[in-house]
Amino acid sequence: DQQVKQNSPSLSVQEGRISILNCDYTNSMFDYFLWYKKYPAEGPTFLISISSIKDKNEDGRFTVFLNKSAKHLSLHIVPSQPGDSAVYFCAASEETGGGNKLTFGTGTQLKVEL
Amino acid sequence: NAGVMQNPRHLVRRRGQEARLRCSPMKGHSHVYWYRQLPEEGLKFMVYLQKENIIDESGMPKERFSAEFPKEGPSILRIQQVVRGDSAAYFCASSPQGVGTEAFFGQGTRLTVV
Repeated sequence: DQQVKQNSPSLSVQEGRISILNCDYTNSMFDYFLWYKKYPAEGPTFLISISSIKDKNEDGRFTVFLNKSAKHLSLHIVPSQPGDSAVYFCAASEETGGGNKLTFGTGTQLKVEL
Repeated sequence: NAGVMQNPRHLVRRRGQEARLRCSPMKGHSHVYWYRQLPEEGLKFMVYLQKENIIDESGMPKERFSAEFPKEGPSILRIQQVVRGDSAAYFCASSPQGVGTEAFFGQGTRLTVV
């Protein structure tokens, strides 16, 4: 049972354009959402997060949007740069006794082309 | 301030041997999480520990796998009598407190069972 879904395994975007990565979830108990970026042979690197009490959070070139009614979130990267090429994981957590247990999606491979 | 340190980076074990994976959290972090990434899949939660306590082990296989986070020293993920299906990347993450804070990941241990 995949509670966090990233339905696009890959995305190709031209440098300078906007990259939009999508994520859907099924568990209505999730109240905190995160995006991680991962290069091959490295651990995931935290990018940006959003609490369920917000619908938008922005940090530089990265913006995350949350639509709770649709159980959908998206990560916008603008402008996209070649160094953004990596696998992007969406993750979600719920209040579990104060822990930060994350449920991950399967990832989207982003390729930013020159 | 060093990040989350995992060792070894690569570990090769023959079937039936034991594997010990170590994780030193970031300074000041008292929450440790272990995740496993099988080939072509996302990260799957295994276990959540605080100092000397297992908080949530709902993702741990029922047999052969155990984890600890002693008062002194790193967290250890132990796999007894390894099988080929245990081959994966094992990631450790740490956070300073509960939900609402980001978990920071180590670079992972790549376990290969031959």
